[in-house]
Amino acid sequence: ETGVTQSPTHLIKTRGQQVTLRCSSQSGHNTVSWYQQALGQGPQFIFQYYREEENGRGNFPPRFSGLQFPNYSSELNVNALELDDSALYLCASNAGEPYNEQFFGPGTRLTVL
Amino acid sequence: EDQVTQSPEALRLQEGESSSLNCSYTVSGLRGLFWYRQDPGKGPEFLFTLYSAGEEKEKERLKATLTKKESFLHITAPKPEDSATYLCAVHFSGGYNKLIFGAGTRLAVHP
Repeated sequence: ETGVTQSPTHLIKTRGQQVTLRCSSQSGHNTVSWYQQALGQGPQFIFQYYREEENGRGNFPPRFSGLQFPNYSSELNVNALELDDSALYLCASNAGEPYNEQFFGPGTRLTVL
Repeated sequence: EDQVTQSPEALRLQEGESSSLNCSYTVSGLRGLFWYRQDPGKGPEFLFTLYSAGEEKEKERLKATLTKKESFLHITAPKPEDSATYLCAVHFSGGYNKLIFGAGTRLAVHP
C-alpha cells in the first residue's frame, strides 16, 4: 500500500512567481486536504477536495487554488507569491467522512525570496 | 472566535516520568478532536480521534481523553523515542469542513 506522496520536496521561488505543488493520495482515499505550516506553528487548513469538488476552505486568499483529478491526486497552485508564503505545505488524504483518520505526506518546503 | 490552544508549549521529561498535555478548544458543535504526532521534517502522524465527552482511546504509552472543553494526552512512562511535537486538531459544525490545529506541544524525553 503506497502512502501519501508529495512533490517536489523543496522549492525556491522569488516573490511574484507562481508555483504548483503536487500530491498523490493513498490508495483508496477520495478526500485530499492541503495545509500550510509555518515554522513552530500548527498546520493551517487551506482547503479540502472530495471527489474532485472543493469541500471546505480556510482563510486563504483566492491566489491559493486547487484541483483534484479523477484518480484523486491533487494540485495546490499559488499565484503572485509573497515572502510570507514560505512554509511547509502538507497534503493529507482519507477515505469517507471528511476527517476520518488522515494520512499526511512528508510535505513540500517552499522558500520565497 | 473558534480557537484551539495547546499547553504547555514545550515539555521536558526524564525517561519514565509520566505527564499530560492539554488541548482546550472554543468551538461550537464539536464533530471530532484529533491528536497527531509530528517528528522534525516530517508530516503529522495520526494517533487518535475522539468524538464525544467521556471518550478515551489508548495506544501503547499514550492515552487520550475528552471533556466538553478540552482534551488531554497522557503519556505514561515515556521513552526517548516519544520525543516529538504533539498536535491537537478540531473539526466542528458550521466550519465547512475546516480543521483547526493548535500550535503543538514540543516534548523532549531524556534518558
